[in-house]
Amino acid sequence: GAGVSQSPSNKVTEKGKDVELRCDPISGHTALYWYRQSLGQGLEFLIYFQGNSAPDKSGLPSDRFSAERTGGSVSTLTIQRTQQEDSAVYLCASSFSQETQYFGPGTRLLVL
Amino acid sequence: GIQVEQSPPDLILQEGANSTLRCNFSDSVNNLQWFHQNPWGQLINLFYIPSGTKQNGRLSATTVATERYSLLYISSSQTTDSGVYFCAVDLGGSARQLTFGSGTQLTVLP
Repeated sequence: GAGVSQSPSNKVTEKGKDVELRCDPISGHTALYWYRQSLGQGLEFLIYFQGNSAPDKSGLPSDRFSAERTGGSVSTLTIQRTQQEDSAVYLCASSFSQETQYFGPGTRLLVL
Repeated sequence: GIQVEQSPPDLILQEGANSTLRCNFSDSVNNLQWFHQNPWGQLINLFYIPSGTKQNGRLSATTVATERYSLLYISSSQTTDSGVYFCAVDLGGSARQLTFGSGTQLTVLP
């Protein structure tokens, strides 16, 4: 079946602009996760959604970052007033019943 | 928070050689996964292995949860095995997010 999909694949933006990144999880998966991968920080957790529960936002680096998950499926990660240090690959993962996490191909964000 | 350490950081092999990658973690974990990140950046699931031993073709993994480590074995390596191998753990309960190690960069030479 279809895996996790993310869009756009690549995004170049100017410092100070807002960006939205989209994740479509595997159908039927109840949990959705956002991570980012940057050269200096490796792979780090951002936010986690499980069913209808309040999301775990403990990994968000600042209040410029937010995410929502509509209808228990698609998720959007929004970064407001982007900074150059936000440049990274943003990865989305989903899982069924909090087990194996399956990752999407990522969105490569470059902030100029 | 939990610490995840991988070794070696870099490994260069000749095609056909075998290798062992190690992952140590500092606390009890609920889940441990091994991933291969290919040159295009895609994280590919290799094993979900909180304990015990699993095998998949030329790859196998063993997790000894009581001693807080996991090993990934690659036998008869191929050039397509090149890439970065990550282990990642979660603590269970409400903390299901994965904490990743820093990875092992594997290069298999033809």
